[in-house]
Amino acid sequence: SQTIHQWPATLVQPVGSPLSLECTVEGTSNPNLYWYRQAAGRGLQLLFYSVGIGQISSEVPQNLSASRPQDRQFILSSKKLLLSDSGFYLCAWSVLWSGANVLTFGAGSRLTVL
Amino acid sequence: DQQVKQNSPSLSVQEGRISILNCDYTNSMFDYFLWYKKYPAEGPTFLISISSIKDKNEDGRFTVFLNKSAKHLSLHIVPSQPGDSAVYFCAALRTSYDKVIFGPGTSLSVIP
Repeated sequence: SQTIHQWPATLVQPVGSPLSLECTVEGTSNPNLYWYRQAAGRGLQLLFYSVGIGQISSEVPQNLSASRPQDRQFILSSKKLLLSDSGFYLCAWSVLWSGANVLTFGAGSRLTVL
Repeated sequence: DQQVKQNSPSLSVQEGRISILNCDYTNSMFDYFLWYKKYPAEGPTFLISISSIKDKNEDGRFTVFLNKSAKHLSLHIVPSQPGDSAVYFCAALRTSYDKVIFGPGTSLSVIP
């Protein structure tokens, strides 16, 4: 069966510090991978998605970046965090189910920037 | 420009009654719609989906209705249970394997 791992689960970082959130998927090959963010009181905002190694599409201009160094690994990074980067970050992979693109999410990473 | 809207940020329902969560979309090219459920500090989990070629899909206590002409869909939960208390996200996409666009969510509270 497929599983998705995301870490760290919780992170408290000072403004201006770097960030690295990691996501790995097991039990599938060549998945579509996604990074979403849920800011306080808001919905799920798509940040990046990837359809293959080294292929990254950015949805929101910001100081965050994403990389996919391996087929089942997706990394979210920042060189210098801003206060507005605080939020709940979710990694997801997609599978086709009855014709629909069903996303399966990881448990999330709570980032607090102070 | 918010393409998927959930105009009710919250909803309270008595246990055993029906919960109706609404969703509107603006992009007529969307042809698949999904509902996700999310508990605090957890990732969303997939509940139910519907293709634009259908107007209803049912799975146990959950039924999704789609009105394409009105660009509106709704999720019905019958009967509602306290464990259904969560945030529900409506989502839409244009084609299979396309990016999924989420609404802002509706927080459902089922009161025992």
